[in-house]
Amino acid sequence: DAMVIQNPRYQVTQFGKPVTLSCSQTLNHNVMYWYQQKSSQAPKLLFHYYDKDFNNEADTPDNFQSRRPNTSFCFLDIRSPGLGDAAMYLCATSRGGGSTDTQYFGPGTRLTVL
Amino acid sequence: AQKVTQAQTEISVVEKEDVTLDCVYETRDTTYYLFWYKQPPSGELVFLIRRNSFDEQNEISGRYSWNFQKSTSSFNFTITASQVVDSAVYFCALSERMRGSARQLTFGSGTQLTVLP
Repeated sequence: DAMVIQNPRYQVTQFGKPVTLSCSQTLNHNVMYWYQQKSSQAPKLLFHYYDKDFNNEADTPDNFQSRRPNTSFCFLDIRSPGLGDAAMYLCATSRGGGSTDTQYFGPGTRLTVL
Repeated sequence: AQKVTQAQTEISVVEKEDVTLDCVYETRDTTYYLFWYKQPPSGELVFLIRRNSFDEQNEISGRYSWNFQKSTSSFNFTITASQVVDSAVYFCALSERMRGSARQLTFGSGTQLTVLP
């Protein structure tokens, strides 16, 4: 089945130790998004890629970076995780290019920072 | 700026009861799209429905139905004969254009629905 896959589902890291979260998709969508969701809150958009074009939200900390080596894969790098970065990280994809665009989400990676 | 309000933070019902989740939105766009997503305890956001601003016809899908009223800027979601598996957080969202042709979702704060057996 076509889908959005995130690995790992659970990630534990230490304060200040870089961590990379992975997202892949078989939908062949042009747009890939990364969201951060803290407990009892709505998802917050960090950035998105439209093809190779990277678009950062104004309030996304510099500590968060992203890479999209090809259409199928997108990575979220947290260079120096702090305790406040513990959250669920959701990847989403959409076809792009029109107002009917619908985002489809992966299962998320729950990040714990010790 | 766009805004989505889900005034109900938590709702508890007993199985087989009907329940309506409210969503009110604000936008200056004349053309826009509204969405509902379900987030079960596993964490994945599951797409339920997309509705465009030109189509005010109510939609029904099994036990789910949606009532879109442009005059009151509301897009309410009703679950008929609720089941325990319906327990989840439900998010209403509004779509707006970002840079390029991608669309940004403005989410409401979510409603936690608990269906008791």
